[in-house]
Amino acid sequence: GENVGLHLPTLSVQEGDNSIINCAYSNSASDYFIWYKQESGKGPQFIIDIRSNMDKRQGQRVTVLLNKTVKHLSLQIAATQPGDSAVYFCAENMRSGGSYIPTFGRGTSLIVHP
Amino acid sequence: DAGITQSPRYKITETGRQVTLMCHQTWSHSYMFWYRQDLGHGLRLIYYSAAADITDKGEVPDGYVVSRSKTENFPLTLESATRSQTSVYFCASAREKPLSGNTIYFGEGSWLTVV
Repeated sequence: GENVGLHLPTLSVQEGDNSIINCAYSNSASDYFIWYKQESGKGPQFIIDIRSNMDKRQGQRVTVLLNKTVKHLSLQIAATQPGDSAVYFCAENMRSGGSYIPTFGRGTSLIVHP
Repeated sequence: DAGITQSPRYKITETGRQVTLMCHQTWSHSYMFWYRQDLGHGLRLIYYSAAADITDKGEVPDGYVVSRSKTENFPLTLESATRSQTSVYFCASAREKPLSGNTIYFGEGSWLTVV
């Protein structure tokens, strides 16, 4: 049978729609969160970040929302375009000794249909 | 602005061989990281380094060795490659004191196949 654990969560949207990608993080002590975009065959690229003393941050066409109560992060992309098709990762900066170590979620695949 | 570069980009090797993946960054970033990316697991940290001559284990360090003799280089060595080490390897770097604004920059990846 199919091992669904091997497949990324996938979000399919139409061009022009708004997209919401969700992420649950693990450590309530994490104080900095980042969203990355990874296009096929490339390394992850920074999109937007947010510190734990904020609950919302806006960039160009993107908004990140942070709900510390339920340890949940979301990335909203306005007017989604075909070029937004990629895998999106959230990362939390977890303190390890004196350092901050970025820890990534599994990712969500966004597919934008023209 | 060369940024962060990895080599080789693609490598096929045999089980038991030693393989070294190179990573070079031109920003003088203090922090460097090695991640592996596998379907179903996302990005997992292998090793990281906070400065030259300082390295620490990440989530999946077994079978790997790193060194950081110079700030700009962070090679990753598979001492005796196994098939389970077939993966895409990403090197990354970041400035010191990673708080807001300390973006992690990734290389383009090294595709390694162990046969």
